[in-house]
Amino acid sequence: AQTVTQSQPEMSVQEAETVTLSCTYDTSENNYYLFWYKQPPSRQMILVIRQEAYKQQNATENRFSVNFQKAAKSFSLKISDSQLGDTAMYFCAFMNQNRDDKIIFGKGTRLHILP
Amino acid sequence: NAGVMQNPRHLVRRRGQEARLRCSPMKGHSHVYWYRQLPEEGLKFMVYLQKENIIDESGMPKERFSAEFPKEGPSILRIQQVVRGDSAAYFCASSRSANEKLFFGSGTQLSVL
Repeated sequence: AQTVTQSQPEMSVQEAETVTLSCTYDTSENNYYLFWYKQPPSRQMILVIRQEAYKQQNATENRFSVNFQKAAKSFSLKISDSQLGDTAMYFCAFMNQNRDDKIIFGKGTRLHILP
Repeated sequence: NAGVMQNPRHLVRRRGQEARLRCSPMKGHSHVYWYRQLPEEGLKFMVYLQKENIIDESGMPKERFSAEFPKEGPSILRIQQVVRGDSAAYFCASSRSANEKLFFGSGTQLSVL
């Protein structure tokens, strides 16, 4: 069974700093997707970034980028020039490409951006 | 184009009552997923439905929980005889087809007194 592990329950950084959130996963599959979701206090689940496992190039979305290490089964999220609005829970997630559409979530990292 | 709509946003029930949670997927989306989020936890998959069919219910508790997605109307997650442990946020997500991007609703917070 696939599992997703986020080892940092909570983090705090100063505004404008760079922060990296860790995520590791376990799977025997070769084709899959990885995601980072943001959940602000409004509770809305917002897709931040998505990575296809077959792509070696790390995905990037503006200030958000990932470091995808397939052999190590690691998928960390880097937030550059952090802003107060980045304060939220961040969930790492995994989905098989070829089977069902279940997304498996980690337990989350609560990120505080301090003014 | 409205997003995934869930209602109610908050639902309070006493032990033993029934809870009905509604989810209207985005227009054109025929795949619906229900997830449950306990406090300080990630989302846990419950059930995956397409119109009139349950595709995967491996995450659903064996008793008291049921889900449907009729040909017309919203998807319904029904919890009979609620207990305190059912208190959680229940999220619905939809997609146009398999392996396409999921869009989440804002969730229904169920509180069982």
